Amino acid sequence: QQPVQSPQAVILREGEDAVINCSSSKALYSVHWYRQKHGEAPVFLMILLKGGEQKGHEKISASFNEKKQQSSLYLTASQLSYSGTYFCGTRKGAAGNKLTFGGGTRVLVKP
Amino acid sequence: DAGVTQSPTHLIKTRGQQVTLRCSPKSGHDTVSWYQQALGQGPQFIFQYYEEEERQRGNFPDRFSGHQFPNYSSELNVNALLLGDSALYLCASSEQGRGIEKLFFGSGTQLSVL
Repeated sequence: QQPVQSPQAVILREGEDAVINCSSSKALYSVHWYRQKHGEAPVFLMILLKGGEQKGHEKISASFNEKKQQSSLYLTASQLSYSGTYFCGTRKGAAGNKLTFGGGTRVLVKP
Repeated sequence: DAGVTQSPTHLIKTRGQQVTLRCSPKSGHDTVSWYQQALGQGPQFIFQYYEEEERQRGNFPDRFSGHQFPNYSSELNVNALLLGDSALYLCASSEQGRGIEKLFFGSGTQLSVL
């Protein structure tokens, strides 16, 4: 079952913060975050395993709430390069299990 | 080190035709997954190949089939094309067996069915 992302789109000014949420109705083994710029392939940002560990990539961090089966991606002090569509991908099991993506959140960072 | 390469980059077909898309995984990767991405949507899982066998399959009809070769490269075949098959087809490679596989995507093949 496809995870649900919110919001669908967000517009930021450079330096502002934003949060993107990813929710699943099923128990998850891991949550993956990818960013796709227009006309390009999705690029891996980070993986979070169940356990609530918080990860970081530049000034982008994420958390995973196992009880709620929800992950949040935090864009801090956003830069123009953060513009793109962010996808969460969820995996229900370990090795070999398929990655199921959400519908994406479009982020536009303006000067 | 070459990443994931896909060919062709663009393809135009008519309804009812058949198409073959190709993918070479990142060096050292043994698993290939195929995704369909409609405009403005997230990638939808088609299937995954490992050790030349289809390991998992998403909710796609049998018109979608694939193959993995001994060198880990892969093909996606779509028969009897429909207008709704128009999409970006992404190939992603990964390493198997580590438990925390991250996907490396190719730039995709943009398929247009007229």
